[in-house]
Amino acid sequence: DAKTTQPPSMDCAEGRAANLPCNHSTISGNEYVYWYRQIHSQGPQYIIHGLKNNETNEMASLIITEDRKSSTLILPHATLRDTAVYYCIVRADYNFNKFYFGSGTKLNVKP
Amino acid sequence: DTAVSQTPKYLVTQMGNDKSIKCEQNLGHDTMYWYKQDSKKFLKIMFSYNNKELIINETVPNRFSPKSPDKAHLNLHINSLELGDSAVYFCASSQDSGPGELFFGEGSRLTVL
Repeated sequence: DAKTTQPPSMDCAEGRAANLPCNHSTISGNEYVYWYRQIHSQGPQYIIHGLKNNETNEMASLIITEDRKSSTLILPHATLRDTAVYYCIVRADYNFNKFYFGSGTKLNVKP
Repeated sequence: DTAVSQTPKYLVTQMGNDKSIKCEQNLGHDTMYWYKQDSKKFLKIMFSYNNKELIINETVPNRFSPKSPDKAHLNLHINSLELGDSAVYFCASSQDSGPGELFFGEGSRLTVL
């Protein structure tokens, strides 16, 4: 599975949009992009995933570039409870068991 | 009802002891996992079971033995505990079909003294 690169930390003001980037330049055509987050030592929580098209759900939006080499997770109105480590993972559709977590981005939402 | 539940949440024990952590999922998923998160917060996959069959064993010492009595349960038994085994252990499950996202338990914090 392709590797991902994320900034180690980011700050965001409460109420503003948080845009978390992820680089996955070696992604192949059958690999999906997944985002998870971990709030202070709780179990990681699934946020969203996508293949080619942009995706939106009640938690976030996922923007994938046309060449699929990078993506951005958008939390439209960040709250203090969104402070967490956010993990970007790529996984081939046939490797359904293999989720490998990197070091993620620590998002600090500030009042 | 908790979807993926682990017991115990906290476990403090002495070096050399044997301990078990239990995991149950009520989601009807086919695949279950154990992940280890060390003090540096890296989350590493240890094992994956699909319908009670071992799929992934990520070079984990054989002191760690997963056991899956049925597809809703995946227990982790650890023999001869060492200081380096201190970590938070997360159980997870996923469905084989569809997006296959992972659902995690709340973790079991193991401290070896």
